[in-house]
Amino acid sequence: GQQLNQSPQSMFIQEGEDVSMNCTSSSIFNTWLWYKQDPGEGPVLLIALYKAGELTSNGRLTAQFGITRKDSFLNISASIPSDVGIYFCAGQHGSRGETSGSRLTFGEGTQLTVNP
Amino acid sequence: DGGITQSPKYLFRKEGQNVTLSCEQNLNHDAMYWYRQDPGQGLRLIYYSQIVNDFQKGDIAEGYSVSREKKESFPLTVTSAQKNPTAFYLCASRGRGTNSPLHFGNGTRLTVT
Repeated sequence: GQQLNQSPQSMFIQEGEDVSMNCTSSSIFNTWLWYKQDPGEGPVLLIALYKAGELTSNGRLTAQFGITRKDSFLNISASIPSDVGIYFCAGQHGSRGETSGSRLTFGEGTQLTVNP
Repeated sequence: DGGITQSPKYLFRKEGQNVTLSCEQNLNHDAMYWYRQDPGQGLRLIYYSQIVNDFQKGDIAEGYSVSREKKESFPLTVTSAQKNPTAFYLCASRGRGTNSPLHFGNGTRLTVT
């Protein structure tokens, strides 16, 4: 199956620093999603993006749907120790009216470590 | 509270045995999915089901089987034909509509020795 290119693979930062990660694809997506996974748990949805150019915030998190619809980024401002985890992007090709069976394509994840 | 329940959290089996992982959701979602996660890798789709009594193979279906007899339940069987079954297995579901995001269970870690 198709993979998204997610970078960086890992990041080691100090508490208080800002973080940026992104995903790119060779094909167009109609939806971009960002998830966070804590060790031994399932991924939890952070932000969903549905329109090209859309910029959405969720607390200290901000994500954007790229204008070309082939990329997305996630920023975390003023990082704290509980931000530690793996962040995944996911893209979906589905268009309006399509059923909920549309498949997601996941990036390989960005492992974030925050040093206090 | 509504959610997706995977059980058990940890599962140990001997090589050559089939094992079934449970996934139940009370979100009234139509579509359900099984993913496999290996260390340092993303999520790979095993099987998915858009409606009761129907399911499709994902990218890595070989050695796995599923059933969807009820809307709420989508069990995954890891058969002895799966060459490398030790992994973290995640079940997910989605409601109707293209704007409905994927919700995950908390996973089952399967270890086969």
